[in-house]
Amino acid sequence: DVKVTQSSRYLVKRTGEKVFLECVQDMDHENMFWYRQDPGLGLRLIYFSYDVKMKEKGDIPEGYSVSREKKERFSLILESASTNQTSMYLCASSLGGLAGGPRYFGPGTRLTVL
Amino acid sequence: AQSVTQLDSHVSVSEGTPVLLRCNYSSSYSPSLFWYVQHPNKGLQLLLKYTSAATLVKGINGFEAEFKKSETSFHLTKPSAHMSDAAEYFCVVSASNSGYALNFGKGTSLLVTP
Repeated sequence: DVKVTQSSRYLVKRTGEKVFLECVQDMDHENMFWYRQDPGLGLRLIYFSYDVKMKEKGDIPEGYSVSREKKERFSLILESASTNQTSMYLCASSLGGLAGGPRYFGPGTRLTVL
Repeated sequence: AQSVTQLDSHVSVSEGTPVLLRCNYSSSYSPSLFWYVQHPNKGLQLLLKYTSAATLVKGINGFEAEFKKSETSFHLTKPSAHMSDAAEYFCVVSASNSGYALNFGKGTSLLVTP
């Protein structure tokens, strides 16, 4: 079974803090993704990566950056957390290629920024 | 461009009765379609996927979906609801030439009553 793990289930940070969300997958997937999920807005793509050190902006990249130094690990960074970044963050991975295959999701990190 | 519309934001059924969650899609190309389920405070789990093979797709936990090109629909069904089916369900579309784009519906909340 594909396993995608996220470093924290719940996280509380203060405005202005630098926040790191870590994601690890164990299926040697080329693609990794970060989404945020908000009530009424569904899932929105923040960033994705199709290879080590490669990244592409998604629909809402502002205020976020990412890092992929190893194939299995994809980090989401909030350089200076703000209250409007309070959300559920979901990491996902999938096999490579342009076919847009199914994503396998981690359990999510619920981030609260005070 | 591709998109999905989940026609009901909430569906309520009695335990043991059939489940129908409706999804219409729009895609300029041959789509891949997926249904995901999300239980409270959990990540998304892939229920089933359609990728241009058989139009009737069977998934986990007794769910199935039928791809109807003429109706641009991909409705999710289950013959008999179980209490554990109560969750949020997402219909997702990916067009074959979209690269990494994957569009999520807004979700349907399924309530199962005793």
